[in-house]
Amino acid sequence: EAGVVQSPRYKIIEKKQPVAFWCNPISGHNTLYWYLQNLGQGPELLIRYENEEAVDDSQLPKDRFSAERLKGVDSTLKIQPAELGDSAVYLCASRPARTGELFFGEGSRLTVL
Amino acid sequence: AQTVTQSQPEMSVQEAETVTLSCTYDTSESDYYLFWYKQPPSRQMILVIRQEAYKQQNATENRFSVNFQKAAKSFSLKISDSQLGDAAMYFCAYRSWTGGGADGLTFGKGTHLIIQP
Repeated sequence: EAGVVQSPRYKIIEKKQPVAFWCNPISGHNTLYWYLQNLGQGPELLIRYENEEAVDDSQLPKDRFSAERLKGVDSTLKIQPAELGDSAVYLCASRPARTGELFFGEGSRLTVL
Repeated sequence: AQTVTQSQPEMSVQEAETVTLSCTYDTSESDYYLFWYKQPPSRQMILVIRQEAYKQQNATENRFSVNFQKAAKSFSLKISDSQLGDAAMYFCAYRSWTGGGADGLTFGKGTHLIIQP
């Protein structure tokens, strides 16, 4: 069974440029999460989807961040415009119904210059 | 809101020895999950072990075991017969049982485990 797939693995951009990250969860996992992980820190939740509905986006900085999960499968996280402080790893995770653990992708490392 | 505290930023252990990583958490809920995740330098978070709060028996997975003290809100991870491949960041995480608006994992800041050959 394929795991959670994220792309790109690495992205370097100039500040004020837009950037997008893509996530394909494990097949059949209805719940999808985006996490932000700063260097040397634990991940922090940005947004959670149940199917195509964003049910918890309270930690998503909505002035510059947006996310979507069309058709309840793949998801895209966008930042526009990027700031220096957005340099971090963006992790995607998914969870099957009726279990507790999350399955993570390898993450997308963003560097904003 | 729940919080998870890992008080050991870094731990070092000799290969084949045993090491214990500490974790405490704060919650007002009675039912929840606790996890230990491993994150090697490749960055992918891998589940090491899970514990449901309603279970009194401590979870074990081969060389990995936990000491779950619900009243003390403590959840330590013991790694026996440490191997070089165990070197990684280890994160303790909490998840509400009922999900809802509080769903998602709350992570500690992590413990960097070094294995000395």
